[in-house]
Amino acid sequence: SQQGEEDPQALSIQEGENATMNCSYKTSINNLQWYRQNSGRGLVHLILIRSNEREKHSGRLRVTLDTSKKSSSLLITASRAADTASYFCATARDVYNQGGKLIFGQGTELSVKP
Amino acid sequence: GAGVSQSPRYKVAKRGQDVALRCDPISGHVSLFWYQQALGQGPEFLTYFQNEAQLDKSGLPSDRFFAERPEGSVSTLKIQRTQQEDSAVYLCASSLRTAHSNQPQHFGDGTRLSIL
Repeated sequence: SQQGEEDPQALSIQEGENATMNCSYKTSINNLQWYRQNSGRGLVHLILIRSNEREKHSGRLRVTLDTSKKSSSLLITASRAADTASYFCATARDVYNQGGKLIFGQGTELSVKP
Repeated sequence: GAGVSQSPRYKVAKRGQDVALRCDPISGHVSLFWYQQALGQGPEFLTYFQNEAQLDKSGLPSDRFFAERPEGSVSTLKIQRTQQEDSAVYLCASSLRTAHSNQPQHFGDGTRLSIL
Protein backbone atom coordinates (compact mmCIF):
# COMPACT_ATOMS: atom_id res chain seq x y z
CA SER A 1 0.00 0.00 0.00
CA GLN A 2 1.20 3.49 -0.78
CA GLN A 3 1.82 6.33 1.61
CA GLY A 4 -0.40 9.00 0.22
CA GLU A 5 -2.09 10.67 -2.65
CA GLU A 6 -1.11 13.06 -5.38
CA ASP A 7 -3.28 15.67 -6.92
CA PRO A 8 -4.08 16.10 -9.72
CA GLN A 9 -3.71 12.65 -11.26
CA ALA A 10 -3.21 14.27 -14.65
CA LEU A 11 -2.33 17.81 -15.71
CA SER A 12 -2.16 19.27 -19.22
CA ILE A 13 -0.68 22.72 -19.79
CA GLN A 14 0.88 24.84 -22.53
CA GLU A 15 4.61 25.42 -22.79
CA GLY A 16 5.63 28.43 -20.71
CA GLU A 17 2.92 27.94 -18.10
CA ASN A 18 3.59 26.88 -14.53
CA ALA A 19 2.65 23.42 -13.24
CA THR A 20 1.74 22.70 -9.63
CA MET A 21 1.43 19.21 -8.19
CA ASN A 22 0.37 18.35 -4.66
CA CYS A 23 1.17 15.40 -2.46
CA SER A 24 -0.28 14.28 0.86
CA TYR A 25 1.13 11.62 3.14
CA LYS A 26 0.05 9.83 6.28
CA THR A 27 2.87 9.23 8.75
CA SER A 28 5.69 11.26 10.27
CA ILE A 29 8.65 11.56 7.93
CA ASN A 30 12.37 12.30 7.86
CA ASN A 31 12.29 13.78 4.38
CA LEU A 32 10.18 14.03 1.25
CA GLN A 33 11.56 13.60 -2.25
CA TRP A 34 10.24 14.27 -5.73
CA TYR A 35 11.08 12.06 -8.71
CA ARG A 36 10.34 12.27 -12.43
CA GLN A 37 9.68 9.25 -14.62
CA ASN A 38 9.64 9.37 -18.40
CA SER A 39 7.63 6.67 -20.14
CA GLY A 40 9.39 3.31 -20.03
CA ARG A 41 12.28 4.61 -17.94
CA GLY A 42 13.38 4.59 -14.33
CA LEU A 43 12.88 7.39 -11.84
CA VAL A 44 15.12 10.43 -11.74
CA HIS A 45 15.63 12.26 -8.45
CA LEU A 46 14.62 15.94 -8.62
CA ILE A 47 14.76 17.38 -5.13
CA LEU A 48 14.81 16.38 -1.45
CA ILE A 49 13.33 18.44 1.35
CA ARG A 50 13.94 17.55 5.00
CA SER A 51 11.21 17.57 7.60
CA ASN A 52 12.65 20.68 9.26
CA GLU A 53 12.63 22.65 5.99
CA ARG A 54 9.64 24.52 4.60
CA GLU A 55 10.75 25.45 1.10
CA LYS A 56 13.49 24.50 -1.33
CA HIS A 57 14.45 25.63 -4.82
CA SER A 58 16.39 23.94 -7.60
CA GLY A 59 16.47 25.68 -10.97
CA ARG A 60 12.87 25.90 -12.20
CA LEU A 61 11.63 23.70 -9.35
CA ARG A 62 10.18 24.92 -6.07
CA VAL A 63 9.09 22.51 -3.37
CA THR A 64 7.18 23.34 -0.22
CA LEU A 65 6.55 21.11 2.79
CA ASP A 66 3.91 21.55 5.48
CA THR A 67 4.43 18.87 8.11
CA SER A 68 1.41 20.04 10.14
CA LYS A 69 -0.83 19.26 7.16
CA LYS A 70 1.32 16.35 5.97
CA SER A 71 1.47 17.82 2.49
CA SER A 72 3.93 19.01 -0.11
CA SER A 73 3.75 20.78 -3.44
CA LEU A 74 6.02 20.83 -6.47
CA LEU A 75 5.98 23.88 -8.73
CA ILE A 76 7.63 23.78 -12.14
CA THR A 77 7.94 27.26 -13.59
CA ALA A 78 8.11 28.14 -17.29
CA SER A 79 7.37 24.57 -18.33
CA ARG A 80 8.85 23.00 -21.44
CA ALA A 81 7.69 20.12 -23.64
CA ALA A 82 10.61 18.12 -22.23
CA ASP A 83 9.00 18.33 -18.76
CA THR A 84 6.30 15.93 -19.97
CA ALA A 85 6.55 12.96 -17.61
CA SER A 86 5.03 11.40 -14.49
CA TYR A 87 6.00 13.02 -11.21
CA PHE A 88 6.05 11.14 -7.91
CA CYS A 89 6.49 12.26 -4.35
CA ALA A 90 8.10 9.81 -1.96
CA THR A 91 8.61 9.89 1.78
CA ALA A 92 11.37 8.40 3.91
CA ARG A 93 11.33 7.70 7.62
CA ASP A 94 14.41 7.52 9.80
CA VAL A 95 13.82 3.98 10.95
CA TYR A 96 16.72 1.74 11.92
CA ASN A 97 17.72 -0.77 9.28
CA GLN A 98 15.32 0.57 6.65
CA GLY A 99 18.02 2.57 4.91
CA GLY A 100 15.59 5.30 3.99
CA LYS A 101 13.25 3.13 1.93
CA LEU A 102 10.85 5.25 -0.06
CA ILE A 103 7.08 5.17 0.10
CA PHE A 104 5.64 6.60 -3.11
CA GLY A 105 2.44 8.36 -4.02
CA GLN A 106 0.48 7.39 -7.12
CA GLY A 107 1.94 10.13 -9.26
CA THR A 108 0.83 13.05 -11.42
CA GLU A 109 1.02 12.68 -15.19
CA LEU A 110 2.11 16.01 -16.65
CA SER A 111 1.68 16.83 -20.32
CA VAL A 112 3.24 20.03 -21.64
CA LYS A 113 2.05 20.97 -25.10
CA PRO A 114 4.34 22.99 -27.38
CA GLY B 1 30.70 5.79 -13.19
CA ALA B 2 27.73 4.31 -15.01
CA GLY B 3 24.25 4.38 -13.56
CA VAL B 4 22.20 1.50 -12.22
CA SER B 5 21.88 -1.23 -14.83
CA GLN B 6 19.09 -3.80 -14.92
CA SER B 7 18.70 -6.85 -17.11
CA PRO B 8 16.81 -8.06 -18.95
CA ARG B 9 14.80 -4.98 -19.91
CA TYR B 10 11.86 -7.16 -20.88
CA LYS B 11 10.97 -10.64 -19.76
CA VAL B 12 8.04 -12.77 -20.87
CA ALA B 13 7.36 -15.99 -19.00
CA LYS B 14 4.60 -18.53 -18.81
CA ARG B 15 2.66 -18.88 -15.59
CA GLY B 16 4.46 -21.27 -13.28
CA GLN B 17 7.96 -20.60 -14.60
CA ASP B 18 10.74 -19.19 -12.45
CA VAL B 19 12.40 -15.90 -13.41
CA ALA B 20 15.55 -14.09 -12.29
CA LEU B 21 16.07 -10.34 -12.61
CA ARG B 22 19.49 -8.76 -12.26
CA CYS B 23 20.59 -5.40 -10.89
CA ASP B 24 24.05 -3.82 -11.14
CA PRO B 25 24.10 -0.85 -8.76
CA ILE B 26 26.38 2.15 -9.02
CA SER B 27 29.88 1.11 -7.97
CA GLY B 28 30.51 1.77 -4.31
CA HIS B 29 26.86 2.21 -3.38
CA VAL B 30 26.18 0.47 -0.11
CA SER B 31 22.38 0.47 -0.15
CA LEU B 32 20.28 -1.37 -2.72
CA PHE B 33 16.51 -1.42 -3.00
CA TRP B 34 13.99 -3.35 -5.11
CA TYR B 35 10.59 -1.86 -5.96
CA GLN B 36 7.61 -3.19 -7.90
CA GLN B 37 5.62 -0.82 -10.09
CA ALA B 38 2.22 -1.79 -11.46
CA LEU B 39 0.91 -0.02 -14.54
CA GLY B 40 -0.19 3.52 -13.73
CA GLN B 41 0.91 3.28 -10.10
CA GLY B 42 3.83 4.48 -8.02
CA PRO B 43 6.61 2.05 -7.11
CA GLU B 44 6.10 -0.13 -4.04
CA PHE B 45 8.97 -1.19 -1.82
CA LEU B 46 9.97 -4.85 -1.88
CA THR B 47 13.29 -5.25 -0.09
CA TYR B 48 16.47 -3.48 1.06
CA PHE B 49 20.13 -4.53 1.27
CA GLN B 50 22.97 -2.89 3.13
CA ASN B 51 26.03 -4.40 1.47
CA GLU B 52 25.28 -8.15 1.42
CA ALA B 53 22.86 -8.08 4.35
CA GLN B 54 19.14 -8.10 3.58
CA LEU B 55 17.88 -5.84 6.37
CA ASP B 56 14.28 -5.36 5.31
CA LYS B 57 12.17 -7.73 3.24
CA SER B 58 8.82 -6.61 4.55
CA GLY B 59 7.53 -5.69 1.09
CA LEU B 60 8.01 -9.05 -0.59
CA PRO B 61 4.47 -10.19 -1.54
CA SER B 62 4.94 -13.90 -0.87
CA ASP B 63 7.53 -16.58 -0.22
CA ARG B 64 7.76 -17.03 -3.99
CA PHE B 65 9.87 -13.87 -4.06
CA PHE B 66 13.51 -14.13 -3.07
CA ALA B 67 16.33 -11.59 -3.35
CA GLU B 68 20.05 -11.87 -2.77
CA ARG B 69 23.20 -9.75 -2.97
CA PRO B 70 25.91 -12.25 -2.02
CA GLU B 71 28.99 -10.06 -2.54
CA GLY B 72 27.45 -6.72 -1.71
CA SER B 73 27.30 -5.49 -5.30
CA VAL B 74 25.12 -7.22 -7.93
CA SER B 75 21.68 -8.27 -6.76
CA THR B 76 19.22 -10.80 -8.14
CA LEU B 77 15.47 -10.86 -7.57
CA LYS B 78 14.01 -14.30 -8.16
CA ILE B 79 10.34 -15.11 -8.52
CA GLN B 80 9.34 -18.76 -8.36
CA ARG B 81 6.20 -20.27 -9.84
CA THR B 82 5.18 -16.97 -11.41
CA GLN B 83 1.57 -15.86 -11.38
CA GLN B 84 -0.19 -13.36 -13.64
CA GLU B 85 -0.38 -10.84 -10.80
CA ASP B 86 3.43 -10.75 -10.79
CA SER B 87 3.32 -8.85 -14.09
CA ALA B 88 4.83 -5.43 -13.38
CA VAL B 89 7.96 -3.36 -13.79
CA TYR B 90 10.65 -4.25 -11.26
CA LEU B 91 12.89 -1.33 -10.39
CA CYS B 92 16.23 -1.44 -8.66
CA ALA B 93 17.75 1.58 -6.90
CA SER B 94 20.99 2.22 -5.07
CA SER B 95 22.26 4.93 -2.76
CA LEU B 96 25.68 5.77 -1.44
CA ARG B 97 25.41 5.59 2.32
CA THR B 98 23.71 3.36 4.79
CA ALA B 99 21.72 4.32 7.82
CA HIS B 100 21.21 7.95 6.93
CA SER B 101 17.99 8.37 5.00
CA ASN B 102 18.61 11.90 3.74
CA GLN B 103 19.94 10.97 0.36
CA PRO B 104 18.52 10.36 -3.10
CA GLN B 105 18.16 6.96 -4.67
CA HIS B 106 19.42 6.26 -8.17
CA PHE B 107 17.12 4.07 -10.24
CA GLY B 108 17.68 1.71 -13.12
CA ASP B 109 15.28 1.61 -16.08
CA GLY B 110 13.62 -1.50 -14.71
CA THR B 111 12.67 -4.93 -15.99
CA ARG B 112 9.19 -5.20 -17.46
CA LEU B 113 7.90 -8.65 -16.56
CA SER B 114 4.90 -10.11 -18.36
CA ILE B 115 3.42 -13.41 -17.22
CA LEU B 116 1.24 -15.16 -19.79
